[in-house]
Amino acid sequence: NAGVTQTPKFQVLKTGQSMTLQCAQDMNHNSMYWYRQDPGMGLRLIYYSASEGTTDKGEVPNGYNVSRLNKREFSLRLESAAPSQTSVYFCASSQGPSGELFFGEGSRLTVL
Amino acid sequence: AQTVTQSQPEMSVQEAETVTLSCTYDTSESDYYLFWYKQPPSRQMILVIRQEAYKQQNATENRFSVNFQKAAKSFSLKISDSQLGDAAMYFCAYRSAYSGGYQKVTFGTGTKLQVIP
Repeated sequence: NAGVTQTPKFQVLKTGQSMTLQCAQDMNHNSMYWYRQDPGMGLRLIYYSASEGTTDKGEVPNGYNVSRLNKREFSLRLESAAPSQTSVYFCASSQGPSGELFFGEGSRLTVL
Repeated sequence: AQTVTQSQPEMSVQEAETVTLSCTYDTSESDYYLFWYKQPPSRQMILVIRQEAYKQQNATENRFSVNFQKAAKSFSLKISDSQLGDAAMYFCAYRSAYSGGYQKVTFGTGTKLQVIP
């Protein structure tokens, strides 16, 4: 049982380059999330998708776009990477309001 | 907007001893869920324990228990008989139970726990 799978695990970009972080879950969850984790700041919500076909901004959406491709997949795109986007990114999914978040293993992104 | 505060950036505990991690939150809602997550050096986020706000009884999972004080908006985590494998970053999180609000899970800034052999 894979749970939440995100790729790539590591990526180094130059300023201005674009990239997409992929996320897939096999638990048939309706809701999916993208968080970023920075030292001393905890996890901050970038975007979330309550269900297939819907996406909403979280706390720190600037510089990012998302696509809920289907119920399983939720991708995060950086159109023009900036050094401030250097972070560890986590994808998560959950089912219903009482459900906990299930996380992927994280993706460490460095923007030079 | 809800906020979650973890005022202890780092803590340490002797192996086999007990440690309590603090968490406070701010909300105007009456129904919500609170969580503690553990993040070991592997980076994987692992659920430790969950508390439902409408339940009076404090949640317990083996060596982990919480002290939930709804009126004080406090949700501390107690780890008994600490083990080396408990060394990790611990995050407190809040989730609304209301439709339209429950999608946003808010995390604290974390407490790094060191376990001393």
